[in-house]
Amino acid sequence: DSGVTQTPKHLITATGQRVTLRCSPRSGDLSVYWYQQSLDQGLQFLIQYYNGEERAKGNILERFSAQQFPDLHSELNLSSLELGDSALYFCASSVERGGDTQYFGPGTRLTVL
Amino acid sequence: AQSVTQPDIHITVSEGASLELRCNYSYGATPYLFWYVQSPGQGLQLLLKYFSGDTLVQGIKGFEAEFKRSQSSFNLRKPSVHWSDAAEYFCAVGNSGGGADGLTFGKGTHLIIQP
Repeated sequence: DSGVTQTPKHLITATGQRVTLRCSPRSGDLSVYWYQQSLDQGLQFLIQYYNGEERAKGNILERFSAQQFPDLHSELNLSSLELGDSALYFCASSVERGGDTQYFGPGTRLTVL
Repeated sequence: AQSVTQPDIHITVSEGASLELRCNYSYGATPYLFWYVQSPGQGLQLLLKYFSGDTLVQGIKGFEAEFKRSQSSFNLRKPSVHWSDAAEYFCAVGNSGGGADGLTFGKGTHLIIQP
């Protein structure tokens, strides 16, 4: 158990819909990272927040957005969902702004029908 | 841009045999390097990491990895595998400059253990 929690574990929705994935980092960690794991793209970094502020962006679509709240939990919002958005979404957390070890949550499996 | 190559998509090893999983990276400076393992339906568990210092690093579950700058490699080894080691293994590179980038992962190596 890494100490990073993610909810829900599974999510099934339809094309065009919007969903919110939630992540709670390890106690004391200030950075939260979001990753997408799909069969064709592998594991890809989406976005990082540090202490409430956006810190870095990776291959995140404009239909996706995230935020980190004062209690440091983070939410990833996915809108106008397409079949290709079906994937495993991981959250990771670390202590620093960057350059340190990231600990991963169990993931949320999103299925878009 | 940084990149990671794991040349072997699948590897089959007999239980009790030794294991080496290959990882090559491309990075402008000395990178931060990681190996993670993912069991079916599970998240990513950190096996070991290299930041600096001794180029041979020890991890959990009896794994070790050696950083070789001249070969841009960070291969993962285990002297004797157990059936429970069957999983997907990912090598990753991180930004050693303290910058705010996410990890760059290889495509993974699927390890199969034969009885």
